[in-house]
Amino acid sequence: DTAVSQTPKYLVTQMGNDKSIKCEQNLGHDTMYWYKQDSKKFLKIMFSYNNKELIINETVPNRFSPKSPDKAHLNLHINSLELGDSAVYFCASSHYIAGKETQYFGPGTRLLVL
Amino acid sequence: GQQLNQSPQSMFIQEGEDVSMNCTSSSIFNTWLWYKQDPGEGPVLLIALYKAGELTSNGRLTAQFGITRKDSFLNISASIPSDVGIYFCAVRRNDYKLSFGAGTTVTVRA
Repeated sequence: DTAVSQTPKYLVTQMGNDKSIKCEQNLGHDTMYWYKQDSKKFLKIMFSYNNKELIINETVPNRFSPKSPDKAHLNLHINSLELGDSAVYFCASSHYIAGKETQYFGPGTRLLVL
Repeated sequence: GQQLNQSPQSMFIQEGEDVSMNCTSSSIFNTWLWYKQDPGEGPVLLIALYKAGELTSNGRLTAQFGITRKDSFLNISASIPSDVGIYFCAVRRNDYKLSFGAGTTVTVRA
């Protein structure tokens, strides 16, 4: 059973297009995240949602808009794609037990903007 | 910006060797984490450290939370081919966000 799933796994698109990436977790976690991993493998948080509410919004262009229809889903919509948006995007979810948080990552969406 | 210095950046190791990598910071953090990312996959949590001086093992992996709370190391004993991947240290900041190191890429020579 997949804990955190993302679709699509690969996304190749033209500059200027609008695209969405979907994420679902079946772990019952309250918190979900989007991370971006660049070509040098550096991982940086973009957004975090807790119970469908935005709690972390790093310095990310307005072209990126997350949407959480329910606790189990956090989608990422990207408008007017640019070459620099090419990266691997990871969704993650987490829970707290006894004050300790564990994050589980999805398999990633490899976005290539041409 | 990036707050963690992870080294080495990459390493080739011989199967059966013990290896070590470390992560340092100029700031104090109360939670240190080590993740592994296999090729084409997302990072997976290996070890979480919550107490300064704590030494924790997970199979052939051992990690320590530095007493100054500004560093951590990860040891892999008796390397095997499936240890290939990228190992990331991470810290939990006061705003609860995770900050990741740049990663150590491990390649095993059979």
